[in-house]
Parts: sequence; structure tokens; C-alpha cells
Amino acid sequence: LAKTTQPISMDSYEGQEVNITCSHNNIATNDYITWYQQFPSQGPRFIIQGYKTKVTNEVASLFIPADRKSSTLSLPRVSLSDTAVYYCLVGPTGFQKLVFGTGTRLLVSP
Amino acid sequence: EPEVTQTPSHQVTQMGQEVILRCVPISNHLYFYWYRQILGQKVEFLVSFYNNEISEKSEIFDDQFSVERPDGSNFTLKIRSTKLEDSAMYFCASSADRVVSDTQYFGPGTRLTVL
Repeated sequence: LAKTTQPISMDSYEGQEVNITCSHNNIATNDYITWYQQFPSQGPRFIIQGYKTKVTNEVASLFIPADRKSSTLSLPRVSLSDTAVYYCLVGPTGFQKLVFGTGTRLLVSP
Repeated sequence: EPEVTQTPSHQVTQMGQEVILRCVPISNHLYFYWYRQILGQKVEFLVSFYNNEISEKSEIFDDQFSVERPDGSNFTLKIRSTKLEDSAMYFCASSADRVVSDTQYFGPGTRLTVL
């Protein structure tokens, strides 16, 4: 499984756009990039998944450059409730275990 | 929106006792998982389950652990003789078949405290 590197923590203010970048230099051809969100004392929650270029849903956007060695999760206009830990996971899709790193702890302030 | 549910939300037990953690996966899902998260640490994979069999297990999932799908709705994790180091949040997850979506949906967790 590809190793991922992401910032330990980030701070932002309400209404700002937050971009969290994840490095995955040894991503394999059949690997997808998936982001999960976790609030304290809750289970991780799927945010978005992509393979290349850009993916957007109602919650976030995921930008993946052509070389796929990194990806950026973009959260538009964050609110206090977006304070959470965000995990970048890289691996094949299908019936596979998820391997979580330490994630990025995002703190949104008023 | 369908969701994974887990009971109890908090379980306190004495070291050496058996505990059973229960999960009700999303109804049309076929793949089931258990993960755990020790306080302040990463979410760790324990076991995956499909077609009434364990598909993969981690080193953590030793002989003290077992899983079962006793009926069409429940998925349980049993720890036969709990140790202090089993204290953690235990998360159940489920996913549909590969064709539809492999997204894993997590339950709210059971906080296990071993005294």
C-alpha cells in the first residue's frame, strides 16, 4: 500500500476555503485516492474518492495532478462543524481493508 | 439515509471477561469489517468478513477475537478474555459489492473500557 504524507494540523477561519494536500509518491497504477473525515468519538466518514484529474461532490473537491503523486482535498467555505481529522488513503478499490494514517487535524475558528 | 448502527455505545468490563460488540450493517451490504482506535492513535484494521468467512485479519486479531454473522442483520465481534490493552473504540463498517460501490460506511463505534 502506498505511503501517504499529510500535514499534522491546519488552522482556518469560518468561510475560508481549506486545501489539504497529501503526498503519495509510490502510488500504484490501480490505486485510488480516498478521503475520510472523523469527528471526535465518531467513526470515519467517507468524503470523496478519485483516480485522476478532478472530482467534485456536494461536500468537497479532490484535485489530482497528472502524475498522481499527490492530491488536494478542497473544502469550500468551511464552518465550525468542519473541525475534524481528515485522512488521505491510497489503495486499490474493492473489498480491501482501509489503512489510516495519522491524518490532518483541521481546526476552524470563528 | 441508511446507516451502520452499533451497540452498546459504551461497554465497561473487567479484565478477563468476555465481551460481545454488536453491529447492524447497512441492509444490502455484503462486506463487513471491524476496526479499532486506541485513544489518540490511528484507526486500525482488525478483520474483514464476506460470505460468512473471514477474508483478512490483522496481527491484532488473535485467537482471543472472533466474528460472527449470526443472522441476516447482525455482525458481532467477540473478545474472549479482555486485556487492559483492548480498551479502545471499536468501529464496524460495511460496504456493498464492488460493482455498486466499495465505499466503507462506519458505525458510531463502541467505546470499550477494560478495568
